[in-house]
Amino acid sequence: DTGVSQNPRHKITKRGQNVTFRCDPISEHNRLYWYRQTLGQGPEFLTYFQNEAQLEKSRLLSDRFSAERPKGSFSTLEIQRTEQGDSAMYLCASSQPTGTGELFFGEGSRLTVL
Amino acid sequence: QKEVEQDPGPLSVPEGAIVSLNCTYSNSAFQYFMWYRQYSRKGPELLMYTYSSGNKEDGRFTAQVDKSSKYISLFIRDSQPSDSATYLCAMSHHTGGFKTIFGAGTRLFVKA
Repeated sequence: DTGVSQNPRHKITKRGQNVTFRCDPISEHNRLYWYRQTLGQGPEFLTYFQNEAQLEKSRLLSDRFSAERPKGSFSTLEIQRTEQGDSAMYLCASSQPTGTGELFFGEGSRLTVL
Repeated sequence: QKEVEQDPGPLSVPEGAIVSLNCTYSNSAFQYFMWYRQYSRKGPELLMYTYSSGNKEDGRFTAQVDKSSKYISLFIRDSQPSDSATYLCAMSHHTGGFKTIFGAGTRLFVKA
């Protein structure tokens, strides 16, 4: 399968715990994006990378959130000291360096904070 | 005010109906206009893409962009039960680093 891969698909955690999600983009795509989606809402932009550089970070992203893409390949999104309001689907997408900027999404990592 | 406004529905239509979905936006810098389809528990997938104003047709789907009114539409002809999904409008611009902004999505149900 050469699509965008996200792990884990579902994570249940207790409030205050740290969680980490991993995204493996399509191999030739140099742009990688993280979005958050809650029930009944569209995806909300969190951050994006071009190769290993994090070029933009949303104001929605508190300092409890950190994302990395150390070698310009896979990316991780870590949430520290989780809160119930962090419960959502975290979507990763990648896109080609040129062209339309079409986003290719993974199936998402669903976070439930108890 | 959100940058992209979209009525969340739900919208329920009989099979074979023509479906009209639309979005409005506030940022005149947007140049790329897209419609994504999202099935339950799946990531969105690109359905239609339009650059600047105009119409684009692909099979049963037609996308329209009116930049002067900041209004985009998606029409689905001869709707099928398999079209039941959430339809997300989305837009971006080069100066925004291709950051794509999504509407809330409209849930569509096509009844057989």
